[in-house]
Amino acid sequence: AQSVTQLDSQVPVFEEAPVELRCNYSSSVSVYLFWYVQYPNQGLQLLLKYLSGSTLVESINGFEAEFNKSQTSFHLRKPSVHISDTAEYFCAVTPASGGSYIPTFGRGTSLIVHP
Amino acid sequence: DAGVTQSPTHLIKTRGQQVTLRCSPKSGHDTVSWYQQALGQGPQFIFQYYEEEERQRGNFPDRFSGHQFPNYSSELNVNALLLGDSALYLCASSLSGHPGNTIYFGEGSWLTVV
Repeated sequence: AQSVTQLDSQVPVFEEAPVELRCNYSSSVSVYLFWYVQYPNQGLQLLLKYLSGSTLVESINGFEAEFNKSQTSFHLRKPSVHISDTAEYFCAVTPASGGSYIPTFGRGTSLIVHP
Repeated sequence: DAGVTQSPTHLIKTRGQQVTLRCSPKSGHDTVSWYQQALGQGPQFIFQYYEEEERQRGNFPDRFSGHQFPNYSSELNVNALLLGDSALYLCASSLSGHPGNTIYFGEGSWLTVV
């Protein structure tokens, strides 16, 4: 079984400041890792994912996440946030093998960007 | 290309009643999953349908049941509603074959049980 821990339930930050949203996971098998974003009153949208290869993955809107196998982490970062980044962010893991490809989600981190 | 569509968007039911939620997957997707998202929580997996069969199920009671139709659309049924069933119900679709395939979510159905 897998589990995901998002260490911060809420992260307030000022506009144009950098931000890091933390995610740690545990799993007995290799995993794929995902970050999803949920804007108010909407469903989840995939932000970025790590499947293999380079441990640093980037999204089209300036977010990046780095897979750290030794620390079992997949923290999400952005060097300069905008008001429009205010949303709920979910980290998720899926087993890379075994046939049960159901993602396990963390409880979410609410990113609040202040002007 | 329409993404995942769900209906209704909001509904209010009385304890003990039954509810049916509907989902149309993204075009080309053959796998549909349902999630329950309580306020302030992450999505919890209910079950997944593929080729009209329930392929996997999460830790939810038998009051939660579903169906997938030949056109890949799906329904979630909840019987004997409890107050604790109040939540956002998310439908997600994907293409089978690889766990890394992107999952697309609908905007959800807000269920309030009074």
